[in-house]
Amino acid sequence: GAVVSQHPSWVICKSGTSVKIECRSLDFQATTMFWYRQFPKQSLMLMATSNEGSKATYEQGVEKDKFLINHASLTLSTLTVTSAHPEDSSFYICSALTGQGAYTEAFFGQGTRLTVV
Amino acid sequence: QQPVQSPQAVILREGEDAVINCSSSKALYSVHWYRQKHGEAPVFLMILLKGGEQKGHEKISASFNEKKQQSSLYLTASQLSYSGTYFCGARTGSGGYQKVTFGIGTKLQVIP
Repeated sequence: GAVVSQHPSWVICKSGTSVKIECRSLDFQATTMFWYRQFPKQSLMLMATSNEGSKATYEQGVEKDKFLINHASLTLSTLTVTSAHPEDSSFYICSALTGQGAYTEAFFGQGTRLTVV
Repeated sequence: QQPVQSPQAVILREGEDAVINCSSSKALYSVHWYRQKHGEAPVFLMILLKGGEQKGHEKISASFNEKKQQSSLYLTASQLSYSGTYFCGARTGSGGYQKVTFGIGTKLQVIP
């Protein structure tokens, strides 16, 4: 199947700094990517939908100025957590859609575990 | 609004069967099923696009009732490797306005 690579897998940062997470589709082009966060023992919470060449669509309650999303190319979307605080510590996962219509599938990156200290 | 999954948790002995249900209050464009093991990212199982569609992979299959806005995942003759949390994802919208939201998950544990 298609491969989605997320980097970094783990990151620890100091409170107040910014962290960038990359999501790449390695062997396909993805016009749409999704960003999720997941707290321990909870479900995936959709944060935003990232579309290549346009502004991301954020879910209600997600601060767009804090979670900056850029989808500059068909194979790369980035999520930047700005001025991170301990409450931003979480597991962040991206997924990318490939194919069209009946052949559409979604694949996840391996996730990024962010710890803000 | 996220889809509703049931049951929330289930324990099976090896070889037993289980059904996990997923229902949505909104019209569904498609339903995705994933399995996630502790500390790992979710793994795609299958996607169902059309009402009435059924799919299977090994001993895991799923159905999609578009009218009822429901999907069910069937695990037959369960194996230890089936343990994990199963999420259904409801895809709504299309094109640049589509999104996939997930149910709370069903924790499945298969014991010897």
